[in-house]
Amino acid sequence: NAGVMQNPRHLVRRRGQEARLRCSPMKGHSHVYWYRQLPEEGLKFMVYLQKENIIDESGMPKERFSAEFPKEGPSILRIQQVVRGDSAAYFCASSSNNYGYTFGSGTRLTVV
Amino acid sequence: DAKTTQPTSMDCAEGRAANLPCNHSTISGNEYVYWYRQIHSQGPQYIIHGLKNNETNEMASLIITEDRKSSTLILPHATLRDTAVYYCIVSGADNNDYKLSFGAGTTVTVRA
Repeated sequence: NAGVMQNPRHLVRRRGQEARLRCSPMKGHSHVYWYRQLPEEGLKFMVYLQKENIIDESGMPKERFSAEFPKEGPSILRIQQVVRGDSAAYFCASSSNNYGYTFGSGTRLTVV
Repeated sequence: DAKTTQPTSMDCAEGRAANLPCNHSTISGNEYVYWYRQIHSQGPQYIIHGLKNNETNEMASLIITEDRKSSTLILPHATLRDTAVYYCIVSGADNNDYKLSFGAGTTVTVRA
């Protein structure tokens, strides 16, 4: 009965490279949420997805960031041409409805 | 924007009860009070939630005032592993209120 699985746990990218963060929701959960936590700050909502649909991406930066949750496989948060300001912890959560969230352990992205 | 106000930090002696206050004076009738905690370098962990009645589970108790403008999370017998940042979050139960608004939380340090 695995929880929300995120990988990699740590990711180092040089400026200008692409970062791909993966999230496998809990079994039976069809709602996926991505949050970003900058150093010394609380978590900020980024995007809410259901299978093959982006429901709400109001928290996503307008450029370079995209997310998907395909019919098969994990949800992917993709950051193109990373910059130092993208360094943060990215957390994924899943739920079977719109409350009762289970969070993963996060991916810590460091841009050098 | 966080709808809650919490103290920045508090200390607690191991084995004693920890009482964490939260003010949510603008809470509306259909909004729940949720508590999560984040242990260092991990994802947020759900603790408990409630609407108007007091709630208790294996982790904690939640006391909500009659006017629902404030609440207290009680950890009955704090252990060193309870050291974490505790977030009080107000969120509705309908399908349009899925964004969790994490403020700065209360940093709880349990001391031996």
